[in-house]
Amino acid sequence: NAGVTQTPKFQVLKTGQSMTLQCAQDMNHNSMYWYRQDPGMGLRLIYYSASEGTTDKGEVPNGYNVSRLNKREFSLRLESAAPSQTSVYFCASADRGNTIYFGEGSWLTVV
Amino acid sequence: GNSVTQMEGPVTLSEEAFLTINCTYTATGYPSLFWYVQYPGEGLQLLLKATKADDKGSNKGFEATYRKETTSFHLEKGSVQVSDSAVYFCALSDRRDDKIIFGKGTRLHILP
Repeated sequence: NAGVTQTPKFQVLKTGQSMTLQCAQDMNHNSMYWYRQDPGMGLRLIYYSASEGTTDKGEVPNGYNVSRLNKREFSLRLESAAPSQTSVYFCASADRGNTIYFGEGSWLTVV
Repeated sequence: GNSVTQMEGPVTLSEEAFLTINCTYTATGYPSLFWYVQYPGEGLQLLLKATKADDKGSNKGFEATYRKETTSFHLEKGSVQVSDSAVYFCALSDRRDDKIIFGKGTRLHILP
């Protein structure tokens, strides 16, 4: 049972570099999400996609872009990484009842 | 916009104590409410949910009741165990646009 798969699991970037976090789900869910988790800040929504072909900003979208490539895949791009983007990133998808299923997380460090 | 506020931790209790973790929300419309748990070194997983007012979600001895009049969804357990040590997140989903937001999390430590 793959569920939600995200890559890479760990990444170190230099300030100003770009990278894309990949995410795929095999549960045929319409909705997909990207969150970041920081100590004392809980989970904050970056972007979400309620269906294939649509994306919407969440609570902290600045510095990020997303692409809903198809129903399965939802990628998160950092165009010019900053130290403030050091975080753990979680991709997720949700069923029709809005129960959310998370990937295992991607640990990103920007130096 | 919608928001979720939960009590700050850490919360430290002895085994078999009664647990309450407060969660209140602000929302337009009629959201669904959730509690998720994150055990050390793991991702988040659903603990329980409620989709309408007065619904009670329950799982693993935990309960929470959707109170529209007080806009609350407090998590309770009658007798906690050491294995309940984790971070607990309250969450809200807006069924109008499928946006799901979380509270900041409450870390729970249970002492043997």
